[in-house]
Amino acid sequence: GAVVSQHPSWVICKSGTSVKIECRSLDFQATTMFWYRQFPKQSLMLMATSNEGSKATYEQGVEKDKFLINHASLTLSTLTVTSAHPEDSSFYICSAPRPSLIAFEQFFGPGTRLTVL
Amino acid sequence: SQQGEEDPQALSIQEGENATMNCSYKTSINNLQWYRQNSGRGLVHLILIRSNEREKHSGRLRVTLDTSKKSSSLLITASRAADTASYFCATDAGTGGFKTIFGAGTRLFVKA
Repeated sequence: GAVVSQHPSWVICKSGTSVKIECRSLDFQATTMFWYRQFPKQSLMLMATSNEGSKATYEQGVEKDKFLINHASLTLSTLTVTSAHPEDSSFYICSAPRPSLIAFEQFFGPGTRLTVL
Repeated sequence: SQQGEEDPQALSIQEGENATMNCSYKTSINNLQWYRQNSGRGLVHLILIRSNEREKHSGRLRVTLDTSKKSSSLLITASRAADTASYFCATDAGTGGFKTIFGAGTRLFVKA
């Protein structure tokens, strides 16, 4: 089956620094990828849609200057949390859809746990 | 944004019992999916049910979909301690695109 990877799997950083998270589709091309954030004991909240070759689309309430998204190629999207603060500590998950004949399959990465001190 | 609510928010049962989780959503959909997530880990896709389907089975899982009530249920039969996890429903929110929007989730605890 299709695999989506994320790197790093966890990161600890100091407040004020920027952190980059990579999301790769390993065996299929993805013109669209999605970024989610999940706080402890809560559900996944969609942050933004990453579009290859164009600007990302952000969900309401998500600061685009805070969470920079770059979809550099058909297999790579990056999320940069700029000037991270403790409240940005969360589990970040990406996904990439692969269309099939009847619907599409959404493949999720294993997640990146960000802790901001 | 979240698509809807799940009920119950938390469920504790004994091993061997059946577990039923419900999900309601707000918009029209093309399909609905159920996922499992062990604590602090990634998502595991369980089952997809299309809007023109009413019921689907996969092993010990049974999913129903009622589009008139905008609701779905996930039944796990003969539960095991290893089924302890959070379960989420997710829909495409009828966008026609590839977005997947998650419900609030049910935390299931199966006692051995």
